[in-house]
Order: sequence, then C-alpha cells, then structure tokens
Amino acid sequence: EAGVAQSPRYKIIEKRQSVAFWCNPISGHATLYWYQQILGQGPKLLIQFQNNGVVDDSQLPKDRFSAERLKGVDSTLKIQPAKLEDSAVYLCASSPSIAGGRAYNEQFFGPGTRLTVL
Amino acid sequence: AQSVTQLDSQVPVFEEAPVELRCNYSSSVSVYLFWYVQYPNQGLQLLLKYLSGSTLVKSINGFEAEFNKSQTSFHLRKPSVHISDTAEYFCAVKRNTGFQKLVFGTGTRLLVSP
Repeated sequence: EAGVAQSPRYKIIEKRQSVAFWCNPISGHATLYWYQQILGQGPKLLIQFQNNGVVDDSQLPKDRFSAERLKGVDSTLKIQPAKLEDSAVYLCASSPSIAGGRAYNEQFFGPGTRLTVL
Repeated sequence: AQSVTQLDSQVPVFEEAPVELRCNYSSSVSVYLFWYVQYPNQGLQLLLKYLSGSTLVKSINGFEAEFNKSQTSFHLRKPSVHISDTAEYFCAVKRNTGFQKLVFGTGTRLLVSP
C-alpha cells in the first residue's frame, strides 16, 4: 500500500513570494490533515478535512494560508505571501475517517515539505 | 484543552544502555496517548499508543510506555537501545470523545552512540 505522498520535498523562497504544497493521501482515506512543524517544536495542526469539507481550521493563519481538497482526494496548501516565520516542515497526514465518539483512527504521515523563507 | 510537556529536548545514551524519555500531559477530560518517532528526513511514524485497558503498552521494537493517570505521565522506555534508535520522539495526546485533534509535545532527540 502506497503511503502519503508530498511534493516538493524542499522549497526555498524569498519573503513575500508565494508557495504551494501538494499532498496525496493513502487511497480511500477520507480525512486529511496539514501540520506545521517549526524547528524545535512539535507538529501543529493547521487544517483538517473530512472528504472535501473543512472540519477544523482554527489554527490556520487565514490571511496568508489557504488549503483546498476539491475532489476529496489530494490537497494543496498555499502560502501567499510568505513570511520568515513560515519556515518549517509542512506535514500531511491521512486517516481512514474522522474519529467521532470514542473511536480512534490512526493518522499516517507523509515525509513532509521543508520550506525555507529567506 | 490538552497540552503535552517533554522536558528533555535531547537525550544522549550509549548503545545497549537503558533509556527513558519523559512525557507529561495536561487535560481536564480523558485522553488517548501516543508516542511517534521521526527518523531524519522522514515523516512521523506511530510507535505505540494507549487507548484503554492495560496501562503498559509495548511496540514491536522493544519500546514500552506506561500510562500513569495519577501522575499524568506516559514515559517511554527501552531497556537496551541500538544505534538505529537515533531519532526524534514525540509524545502526543487527544481527547477520547468527540472530534479529536492530536496535540504534540516539542519532541526529544535520542542520540545513541557506540
């Protein structure tokens, strides 16, 4: 079974430029997550999709970050314009479905995209 | 809201020595607890989890963690480490009801040397 795919793996841009990241989850996984992992910190959830709907985007800086999952499969995360503090690894994860009640669904992570903003 | 504290940012050990990576959490509701491992240039992998039942949980590669509700801890241990265990280890928590969001600690870098 193929894992979560992300591209590009590395990206270097100058501040105020735009950048986009792509994620293809594990086939059949309904839930997709984008995390931001700043150096020295744990991953922080930016946005969570259930199919093509947003479940949680409370920590997404909406003035500059946007994400979409139009067909409920792959997803893109965009930053426009980028700031120095956006330098981080952006992780995508997927799980079979959203876990409600006491259910638990494991999240499977991709390798991440390392963004450097100069 | 939930939070996780990993007090040790880096733990250096010699090969075949025992190791303990500490994790404490804070939550007003019942939670699930996890340890993830991140090898260089790779994504996070689930190492082990506590959902319910036995408070001692084990991974296939010799790690174990014990859920201690009174001390709100979920420390990770291994009696004898290998060079290949060198990685970043993240403790995480999520509430066990409703829509759940994983909250991660800041991570502990385990450095195993010969």
